[in-house]
Amino acid sequence: QKEVEQDPGPLSVPEGAIVSLNCTYSNSAFQYFMWYRQYSRKGPELLMYTYSSGNKEDGRFTAQVDKSSKYISLFIRDSQPSDSATYLCAMSKGAGTALIFGKGTTLSVSS
Amino acid sequence: KAGVTQTPRYLIKTRGQQVTLSCSPISGHRSVSWYQQTPGQGLQFLFEYFSETQRNKGNFPGRFSGRQFSNSRSEMNVSTLELGDSALYLCASSLDNAREAFFGQGTRLTVV
Repeated sequence: QKEVEQDPGPLSVPEGAIVSLNCTYSNSAFQYFMWYRQYSRKGPELLMYTYSSGNKEDGRFTAQVDKSSKYISLFIRDSQPSDSATYLCAMSKGAGTALIFGKGTTLSVSS
Repeated sequence: KAGVTQTPRYLIKTRGQQVTLSCSPISGHRSVSWYQQTPGQGLQFLFEYFSETQRNKGNFPGRFSGRQFSNSRSEMNVSTLELGDSALYLCASSLDNAREAFFGQGTRLTVV
């Protein structure tokens, strides 16, 4: 079993839709959770960073962490064509440890 | 605030050669991590440096090595290149690795 599982999609939605992206993980030692957006031929861009369980909101983006279920989510409200990209979840156990990534979900938002 | 800078952006090398990639982290960041990204394996951790010391290493052969300088800039080296080393190599910078990690644009290495 992989440490981090993420559905690769692709996920296609119309402009204005609410998008839900998810990852599950197996190692309860993970404490720090991140979501990255990666456009083609670019480096990953940090969208959201959370520590432990709970919700965090930033503009149109909301990140949720449920450590009891080992499940994290990213919600995108009012999706735009410019949101079309690959979304990667990542997590780590703490300082000096590696970021473990999901394989990424490819999102396409059509106008 | 300047972001993470990786040079060069693109490289084409021949099998058996060696290559050195460079990463300049965000000012004030002391942790630099390196990742390899391929379509099949996704992002895989190579190693992490903090204050010139390697703190953690992924499951890559010894042909992959790195170092960090006193100004936090980092280099990674791949010796005896193989076709399978063709990938996007990404550098991530953070205050202390566990916190927000910011990536550079990557170096796309093609081995022919």
